[in-house]
Amino acid sequence: QQQVKQSPQSLIVQKGGISIINCAYENTAFDYFPWYQQFPGKGPALLIAIRPDVSEKKEGRFTISFNKSAKQFSLHIMDSQPGDSATYFCAASIKGASGSARQLTFGSGTQLTVLP
Amino acid sequence: DAMVIQNPRYQVTQFGKPVTLSCSQTLNHNVMYWYQQKSSQAPKLLFHYYDKDFNNEADTPDNFQSRRPNTSFCFLDIRSPGLGDAAMYLCATEQFFGPGTRLTVL
Repeated sequence: QQQVKQSPQSLIVQKGGISIINCAYENTAFDYFPWYQQFPGKGPALLIAIRPDVSEKKEGRFTISFNKSAKQFSLHIMDSQPGDSATYFCAASIKGASGSARQLTFGSGTQLTVLP
Repeated sequence: DAMVIQNPRYQVTQFGKPVTLSCSQTLNHNVMYWYQQKSSQAPKLLFHYYDKDFNNEADTPDNFQSRRPNTSFCFLDIRSPGLGDAAMYLCATEQFFGPGTRLTVL
């Protein structure tokens, strides 16, 4: 019930195309859904995040679509660029009880390659 | 400016030789996390601190220990590294990750 399932495992997109990565979860107690971008040899960087009371959030070329009833959320990268080539992780978290920490449950990751 | 700093960025140790990885944060966050990440895998939570309270994940080997002397600093101690402990070790606070320390075990 704590799993977050991410697909596809790898994705190849032409420059200028739309990259779409999907995630699904089971635990309805999750209340925060971030996406992380990770380049080789670097730590994950928070890209964009959404809470379940919102169906869509857009920041520049990056958009999260959230479907609460289906327990699914997705990342859309518009006008994909070669510099977007990285591994993308979706995650979900639950706020801990008072005095405890929020913990992230990660998806398995998607390796995105944007061809020039 | 860096918010989560990890030192060293690369660490080489020998099988069985204790090693300590360091992390500091400038965000004054209550929570600090240590993750292990192996190639092509998602980060795996080892343990975290909420203030001074230490929380160990159930499947974290006893070989891994941690110290948090103050809000800003946190250390990961690997008492007897094995070849299977070679990985990237990531420190994080709230939503922010450090750059990681790549550990090689010879």
